[in-house]
Amino acid sequence: KQEVTQIPAALSVPEGENLVLNCSFTDSAIYNLQWFRQDPGKGLTSLLLIQSSQREQTSGRLNASLDKSSGRSTLYIAASQPGDSATYLCAVRPGNTDKLIFGTGTRLQVFP
Amino acid sequence: DTGVSQDPRHKITKRGQNVTFRCDPISEHNRLYWYRQTLGQGPEFLTYFQNEAQLEKSRLLSDRFSAERPKGSFSTLEIQRTEQGDSAMYLCASSLVDSTDTQYFGPGTRLTVL
Repeated sequence: KQEVTQIPAALSVPEGENLVLNCSFTDSAIYNLQWFRQDPGKGLTSLLLIQSSQREQTSGRLNASLDKSSGRSTLYIAASQPGDSATYLCAVRPGNTDKLIFGTGTRLQVFP
Repeated sequence: DTGVSQDPRHKITKRGQNVTFRCDPISEHNRLYWYRQTLGQGPEFLTYFQNEAQLEKSRLLSDRFSAERPKGSFSTLEIQRTEQGDSAMYLCASSLVDSTDTQYFGPGTRLTVL
């Protein structure tokens, strides 16, 4: 059974810091991995999707990497801003299904 | 706005009542998903459709839950005889079956069962 874990559960950093959020999954047979952002009480916004054959994806200040063999992904946020404050969720799509399996998220607070 | 929309955004009901939620996907997307999210947790898969066919249902989807997508466009999720444990955010997502198959989520419907 695929399980997704995110560490840390919460993170508080001053503005301008570079930071790394971690995601691990137990079964390496995945189709893709997706990172989402969720603001309090809101839906999910897709940030980056990495196919199983890819190693990383970049969008602006965000970079996500994937090491399928070790069951790990990281989301790197450069030069963090208060507007980055949100919960970041990692989700994997197993290779034999179309649903997403989510971690419990990392709650990020960036203070001025 | 061409994103996924959900209605209502909030629903408060008494235990034992029936509720129905609606999801309108991005217009050209042929897949539609329902997830449930409780406080402090990640979303959990409930069911999904490809066009009008319901292809997979989670064991979380008890007999009190039913979902439809009659014309392959919008979808409804009905909960009968609601229980306090049904209180959660119900999220809908849609995707286009292509090389990326990215799921795009709606704003969710927050259900509170008193």
